[in-house]
Amino acid sequence: AQKVTQAQTEISVVEKEDVTLDCVYETRDTTYYLFWYKQPPSGELVFLIRRNSFDEQNEISGRYSWNFQKSTSSFNFTITASQVVDSAVYFCALSEHDYKLSFGAGTTVTVRA
Amino acid sequence: GAVVSQHPSRVICKSGTSVKIECRSLDFQATTMFWYRQFPKKSLMLMATSNEGSKATYEQGVEKDKFLINHASLTLSTLTVTSAHPEDSSFYICSARVETSGNEQFFGPGTRLTVL
Repeated sequence: AQKVTQAQTEISVVEKEDVTLDCVYETRDTTYYLFWYKQPPSGELVFLIRRNSFDEQNEISGRYSWNFQKSTSSFNFTITASQVVDSAVYFCALSEHDYKLSFGAGTTVTVRA
Repeated sequence: GAVVSQHPSRVICKSGTSVKIECRSLDFQATTMFWYRQFPKKSLMLMATSNEGSKATYEQGVEKDKFLINHASLTLSTLTVTSAHPEDSSFYICSARVETSGNEQFFGPGTRLTVL
């Protein structure tokens, strides 16, 4: 069964638009971690955020913000005022008790100038 | 800190040859490293968990005799693709878990393998 679902395969926006990436996860563990990674065309994974299951506070880092809602098992990611450099594939991931990472299918974001 | 390197970054080999990929944690010790495989436009799939000083744990469907993993030291894990075939062509990424930072993993830059 898919543990992490990223329903949006591709999103295309014009520069300065906001874009929200959805992530829904499934786990029976009470302690778990959620992550977002960015993968630019170079292929290297860039860590964006880690959130543990006990911390439901939303977080903002510059133009990035994250909305964690345990009630709906969602961990959505918003890029505000998108820029061309934001074009990449974004992965949501879940880590449970065994420390293994389960990745979602990824969402390709294309920001057009 | 927490830098992970991979070598080589790209490799092209002929069918039937074996290829070794190295994953190193440069500024920390990692008792656990992970190997992932990524097909074009696809997600990362965990292949195996590499444990220092013991045998690797492979995910279901991954051939352990095909993908040999050795974690000989606290800073080095190697993945050897034996008797490579074109279907083994892929992007291989390793990660290392930092014991003191919970479940966080630091990823290497990846190795693109092309088998002709």
